[in-house]
Amino acid sequence: AQKITQTQPGMFVQEKEAVTLDCTYDTSDPSYGLFWYKQPSSGEMIFLIYQGSYDQQNATEGRYSLNFQKARKSANLVISASQLGDSAMYFCAMREQELNPSGQNFVFGPGTRLSVLP
Amino acid sequence: DSGVTQTPKHLITATGQRVTLRCSPRSGDLSVYWYQQSLDQGLQFLIQYYNGEERAKGNILERFSAQQFPDLHSELNLSSLELGDSALYFCASSATLWDTQYFGPGTRLTVL
Repeated sequence: AQKITQTQPGMFVQEKEAVTLDCTYDTSDPSYGLFWYKQPSSGEMIFLIYQGSYDQQNATEGRYSLNFQKARKSANLVISASQLGDSAMYFCAMREQELNPSGQNFVFGPGTRLSVLP
Repeated sequence: DSGVTQTPKHLITATGQRVTLRCSPRSGDLSVYWYQQSLDQGLQFLIQYYNGEERAKGNILERFSAQQFPDLHSELNLSSLELGDSALYFCASSATLWDTQYFGPGTRLTVL
């Protein structure tokens, strides 16, 4: 089963509007962390925001916020007031406390490509 | 700037050749990860090192090998290169096994 699901391969949003990028995850580990990364066309991977499973409040970083719904196992990224520079690929990732059989505890989703329209 | 450095930025080589990609983690980070990203694909985890020891292994081909040195920098060696090895190779580092991964700018490998 996929650990991280991002159901929106591509999305469009009008400049200055808000947009929500979906991410659902699957884990039985009570302690885990959720991350969002941005990859613009230039290629670099930029860390945006982090949410711990025990955090009581939703994480926020500037125009980025994470809508964390633990019971639904979702960690959607909300970008407010979209800018042209927000056009990029966005990856959701999860870190679990327990290691998988290969020894890894960090997994990335397939990504969502966001295009901001002028 | 994440603080993770990777060299070279671009590499063009021929099939059958061998290349070495280098990564210097952020100051103080003990864990180094290597990822491969083919065109318009997601991130494929290759291998992870923690404080000099191999910690986790993903979809890394036998033609590929890596190591982390005592000064914590890491090298990824790719040999007998094939056209399909053309990709963006990322190095990431984290302070511990459970901290945020910060990515380097990547090395874009083109195999002709």
